[in-house]
Amino acid sequence: GQNIDQPTEMTATEGAIVQINCTYQTSGFNGLFWYQQHAGEAPTFLSYNVLDGLEEKGRFSSFLSRSKGYSYLLLKELQMKDSASYLCAVRNSGAGSYQLTFGKGTKLSVIP
Amino acid sequence: SQTIHQWPATLVQPVGSPLSLECTVEGTSNPNLYWYRQAAGRGLQLLFYSVGIGQISSEVPQNLSASRPQDRQFILSSKKLLLSDSGFYLCAWSVLFGGAASPTDTQYFGPGTRLTVL
Repeated sequence: GQNIDQPTEMTATEGAIVQINCTYQTSGFNGLFWYQQHAGEAPTFLSYNVLDGLEEKGRFSSFLSRSKGYSYLLLKELQMKDSASYLCAVRNSGAGSYQLTFGKGTKLSVIP
Repeated sequence: SQTIHQWPATLVQPVGSPLSLECTVEGTSNPNLYWYRQAAGRGLQLLFYSVGIGQISSEVPQNLSASRPQDRQFILSSKKLLLSDSGFYLCAWSVLFGGAASPTDTQYFGPGTRLTVL
């Protein structure tokens, strides 16, 4: 089975940097995804990591360490519109590899 | 470009009534399709996924069912709703690309249906 842990809530200041951590335990690993979900809306895709290291996309970066079962999402130059839940999701390898297992999400509040 | 539609956007149904939620995808062929439910305070739960017409895999035993009558149409149904069926229902699609060396199939979500069972 899979187990994914993320902090429930975080608060950060506009213009600052925030790091949202995700740890996972899985019997097989074939990629990790980060999604952003604003209240009442559907999740939108942010990033994908399958190899160790950092993937950068503008203000957002995502890091993966497969040996540690650990990922983080880094948000720079925070804006008020970044207030949302951030979902970490892991894909299994092998049979059923289409499936993602989602964490419960981290609710980020950006304050002035 | 690809787009995904879901309807209705919101729905209020009495306990014991039937349910039919529809999802359609445009701009791609032979997508993988998924139904998720997100209950208050809980993570996204995969309910069903489909890799082709008429092919449905169920992840959680419950009173819901899914069908895929056409390549880009995915339907979620129930004969009798329970209170515990309330939640935010999300349809998603993906297409496998990247080759055997680095396959990826990012899932993209539709706008969702918020279901309240009273």
